[in-house]
Amino acid sequence: EVQLVESGGGLVQPGGSLRLSCAASGFTFSGYWMTWVRQAPGKGLEWVANIKQDGSEKYYVDSVKGRFTISKDNAKNSLYLQMNSLRVEDTAVYYCVKYIAVPGKNNFRYYGMDVWGQGTTVTVSS
Amino acid sequence: QSVLTQPPSVSGAPGQRVTVSCTGSNSNIGAGYDVHWYQQVPGTAPKLLIYGNTIRPSGVPDRFSGSESGTSASLAITGLQAEDEADYYCQSYDSSLSAYVFGPGTKVTVL
Repeated sequence: EVQLVESGGGLVQPGGSLRLSCAASGFTFSGYWMTWVRQAPGKGLEWVANIKQDGSEKYYVDSVKGRFTISKDNAKNSLYLQMNSLRVEDTAVYYCVKYIAVPGKNNFRYYGMDVWGQGTTVTVSS
Repeated sequence: QSVLTQPPSVSGAPGQRVTVSCTGSNSNIGAGYDVHWYQQVPGTAPKLLIYGNTIRPSGVPDRFSGSESGTSASLAITGLQAEDEADYYCQSYDSSLSAYVFGPGTKVTVL
């Protein structure tokens, strides 16, 4: 069974740091782009960051650039999100997500998101 | 404010057909980037419903279908069932923002 399990969420003060982890199983982790998507309380979905299969390419939404770092350890089948300088507006459920390629379109910009973890909650508050 | 627009809500009686629209622009859907649709039951993680504009993943009922034309896309649900009551999000890529973008979501209510 393909599965993603996030951990590392919690309550942190503004300006603090957290590191989210995601354990992948049931598929060849090293063969897929991966991404983090978040959802603020009562709000919609927001893409946060993604990373290429070998970690050589990383992209971020503007609001987290310079504060968040995405990484992956293929030997441990794990995805990470290091979050620094956290703000109240970063409060959300963070989902670890696997990409699925669209047949005939070998470009990550066309990919959909086919496997989602259960999410981990990050609360930034004083 | 999202660059993809969806109606806040749609509703229909059991067995009816409903559609959810997703309107973008020439920097996302109109530029040829594929549209993907997700279903989210409150309190649970989103689930991929349609990818690549029209492709249903294994296990998704054929009551769900996607289409795309110009700068817009649509999700159709035929034979509406009580279990289809959820929030539905469209998603694409925007070249102006260099980011994946989601629509604001549409709540589908089964009357």
